Amino acid sequence: AQSVTQLGSHVSVSEGALVLLRCNYSSSVPPYLFWYVQYPNQGLQLLLKYTSAATLVKGINGFEAEFKKSETSFHLTKPSAHMSDAAEYFCAVSDRLGGYNKLIFGAGTRLAVHP
Amino acid sequence: NAGVTQTPKFRVLKTGQSMTLLCAQDMNHEYMYWYRQDPGMGLRLIHYSVGEGTTAKGEVPDGYNVSRLKKQNFLLGLESAAPSQTSVYFCASNNGGVAYGYTFGSGTRLTVV
Repeated sequence: AQSVTQLGSHVSVSEGALVLLRCNYSSSVPPYLFWYVQYPNQGLQLLLKYTSAATLVKGINGFEAEFKKSETSFHLTKPSAHMSDAAEYFCAVSDRLGGYNKLIFGAGTRLAVHP
Repeated sequence: NAGVTQTPKFRVLKTGQSMTLLCAQDMNHEYMYWYRQDPGMGLRLIHYSVGEGTTAKGEVPDGYNVSRLKKQNFLLGLESAAPSQTSVYFCASNNGGVAYGYTFGSGTRLTVV
């Protein structure tokens, strides 16, 4: 079964600084990969996804992620952080359980942005 | 354009009480899921359904039951609530193709005292 590891449960950056949130998955078979964002007291929103097309994926709000098969990684980046980016971010990977494809989520990384 | 609606949004239960969480989607999605979210543990799958009348166990099914009598609704039941079931519960749906990701509801915050 797949597993997802998000390095760093809390990340703090200054406004305007680079955002880097790390995600590694376990399978050697390229899965589908996703990043979701959760703002306080809200549900999860899809930020971007990798589905075996281009390895550099662009999402909403200026975020992007690069799929690196050799490193089994799918790290999320944004060149310049805004205060509004403060949220919790979840990496997810597809896995086949019980004959059906489902999403397995990482533990999440809480991003704080300081003035 | 409601998407996925969860009711209630908040609930406090006493240990041993029962309750049902309702998830309704208006997108005609075949697949529906119940997750629980706990600090430091991300989202864990409780139960899921691949169509009307079907249900299956996820990672953490113990203490929960589900029903999918209508395609648009997926109910999560707690027969005898325990403090360990204090969590935020999320419902999600999609049309089976995991490549499209899931649409999530806004969550139900449940506290068991």
